[in-house]
Amino acid sequence: AQKVTQAQTEISVVEKEDVTLDCVYETRDTTYYLFWYKQPPSGELVFLIRRNSFDEQNEISGRYSWNFQKSTSSFNFTITASQVVDSAVYFCALSDPYSGAGSYQLTFGKGTKLSVIP
Amino acid sequence: KAGVTQTPRYLIKTRGQQVTLSCSPISGHRSVSWYQQTPGQGLQFLFEYFSETQRNKGNFPGRFSGRQFSNSRSEMNVSTLELGDSALYLCASSRSETGHNEQFFGPGTRLTVL
Repeated sequence: AQKVTQAQTEISVVEKEDVTLDCVYETRDTTYYLFWYKQPPSGELVFLIRRNSFDEQNEISGRYSWNFQKSTSSFNFTITASQVVDSAVYFCALSDPYSGAGSYQLTFGKGTKLSVIP
Repeated sequence: KAGVTQTPRYLIKTRGQQVTLSCSPISGHRSVSWYQQTPGQGLQFLFEYFSETQRNKGNFPGRFSGRQFSNSRSEMNVSTLELGDSALYLCASSRSETGHNEQFFGPGTRLTVL
C-alpha cells in the first residue's frame, strides 16, 4: 500500500528564516511520481512540483527547492527566506497507479501547517 | 485559461438528504478526480473519470457516486447524508490519458451536514 508521512504537523518560523518540510513515502512501485501542493486558507490546492522516480536531481524554483532522495524515500521541500505569504498547509503526495486502466490517484500526507511570523 | 470551477462553494444539508456537487475542469482536460478532505482523515481519493468512464474508485461506500459528461464536466452525488460526510470536496482535472500529469484543483465545495 502507498503511504506518505509528513511528521511535522505544524511549524512556525520568523520571516526570512529558511524552513524545510519533510516528506517520507512508501511504495512498492518502481515507477511513481511525487508531488507537493500548497493549500492557503482559501482552501484551493495549488500545484508546486511533480517529480518522477527516475529523476533524483534536486530542483530549485526561486525561493523553493526540493531534495529527492530515493535511498531514504524522502522528498523534502525547503523554502528559503520565508515570507508571510508562504503561510499555508503544504501537502506531499504520491501517485498511486491503478493497474490496467491508465488511471492514477494521489495519496496525500496529512500536511504540514506552516506559519510565517512577521 | 480558466481554472477548475466547482459549484456550489458552500452547502448545508440535513442527515438523510442527498446532494449533488458539480465540477468544470480546465478546458482540454479530460480527466476529473474527486477528493474528500476532513480534519480527521485528511485528503482521500473518491473516484476518477476519463471520457465519461469511471476508471478508478477509492474506498468509499456506494452512497458516493459520480458521473462525467461528454464535455468533461463532472458531478458527484452523495445519497442518504450522514454527519460524517461533512467535508471539503475537491475536484481536480488533468490532461492525463495515461501517466501522472499534475492535477489542478478547484476551490472546493464545503458541505455541512446537520
